[in-house]
Amino acid sequence: KQEVTQIPAALSVPEGENLVLNCSFTDSAIYNLQWFRQDPGKGLTSLLLIQSSQREQTSGRLNASLDKSSGRSTLYIAASQPGDSATYLCAVRGGSEKLVFGKGMKLTVNP
Amino acid sequence: DVKVTQSSRYLVKRTGEKVFLECVQDMDHENMFWYRQDPGLGLRLIYFSYDVKMKEKGDIPEGYSVSREKKERFSLILESASTNQTSMYLCASSSLKGGQNQPQHFGDGTRLSIL
Repeated sequence: KQEVTQIPAALSVPEGENLVLNCSFTDSAIYNLQWFRQDPGKGLTSLLLIQSSQREQTSGRLNASLDKSSGRSTLYIAASQPGDSATYLCAVRGGSEKLVFGKGMKLTVNP
Repeated sequence: DVKVTQSSRYLVKRTGEKVFLECVQDMDHENMFWYRQDPGLGLRLIYFSYDVKMKEKGDIPEGYSVSREKKERFSLILESASTNQTSMYLCASSSLKGGQNQPQHFGDGTRLSIL
């Protein structure tokens, strides 16, 4: 059974730092991995999707990498801003349409 | 942009009531999903549907049913609401067009309280 882990559960940093968020998964047989952002009391916003054949994807200040063989993904946030404060979740898709989610990492960027 | 709309942001119901949560998407997506999100447990899949009138159980279907009579609408039904169904409910949709690597798009969620 696929399990997705995000450590640490929370992170507090000063504004301007470059950040690395970690995601690990136990079964490397995945179609893709998706990173989401969730603001308090809101739904999930899709940030990046990396296909199993890709190594990384970039969108603005965000860069996500995937090492399928080792079961790891990282989300890199450059020059963090207070507006980046949110919970970040990763999810992997296996052989069906289902996503398996990590429990998320709550990020606080302090001005 | 994809728009997934959940009919209520907040809902308060009583135990034993039959509760309907509605979700509508405007992008002609084939797949629709219902999740619940609880502190410490993360997101768990309740049911999903890959076509009209088709449904598959997720990880925690007990106490729930679903209905998909039209492609754009996916309803979650709590047959007899109980306090342990107090949670944040999230609807999502995704397309089958363009291959296997299509992202899921989420609504804003319904925070349901059962008293």
